[in-house]
Amino acid sequence: DAKTTQPPSMDCAEGRAANLPCNHSTISGNEYVYWYRQIHSQGPQYIIHGLKNNETNEMASLIITEDRKSSTLILPHATLRDTAVYYCIVRSPSDYKLSFGAGTTVTVRA
Amino acid sequence: GAVVSQHPSWVICKSGTSVKIECRSLDFQATTMFWYRQFPKQSLMLMATSNEGSKATYEQGVEKDKFLINHASLTLSTLTVTSAHPEDSSFYICSARARLAAYEQYFGPGTRLTVT
Repeated sequence: DAKTTQPPSMDCAEGRAANLPCNHSTISGNEYVYWYRQIHSQGPQYIIHGLKNNETNEMASLIITEDRKSSTLILPHATLRDTAVYYCIVRSPSDYKLSFGAGTTVTVRA
Repeated sequence: GAVVSQHPSWVICKSGTSVKIECRSLDFQATTMFWYRQFPKQSLMLMATSNEGSKATYEQGVEKDKFLINHASLTLSTLTVTSAHPEDSSFYICSARARLAAYEQYFGPGTRLTVT
């Protein structure tokens, strides 16, 4: 798996958009970008994934740069329940393993 | 959505005893299940990958004789921590890959093991 780099922590205000960056400069052409989050003492939760196009679902939006070397996860209206560790992972379809880095600890403040 | 359960959610055992943790996919068939371990304030570390009906594949540094994995059916995998010691105390999490899904893994809620 290509390695990813994320900021260790970030704060955001409740009700505002949270933009979580991820660098993956060595990503290969067939590798997808995945985002998971882990709320304290729970199992990780899948958020979204993409290859090269921007993606949106009910939880978040994923913006991938044209060169695919970085991406941004956007939580459009952060709530206190979005406080969690967010993991950015790159993986090829043929590799079922997920390698979790340190992630970004996001704290949403009222 | 796909739901994965784990049982028990927490367990306390004495040093030297064995503990079994179950991982079940409730509404889908899982050809592959994964077991992770997470120590406090650390990230998830993959321990092993199990496929239904075959032996598990362990990551480097994980003792296969200590952490016994049985993927008995398409909906059940078990992790048995044998002769547990206090350093085995950790948060154990399983995940399952759906039979027809190529991309997502669905995670269980985790099991907190404390060895006294």
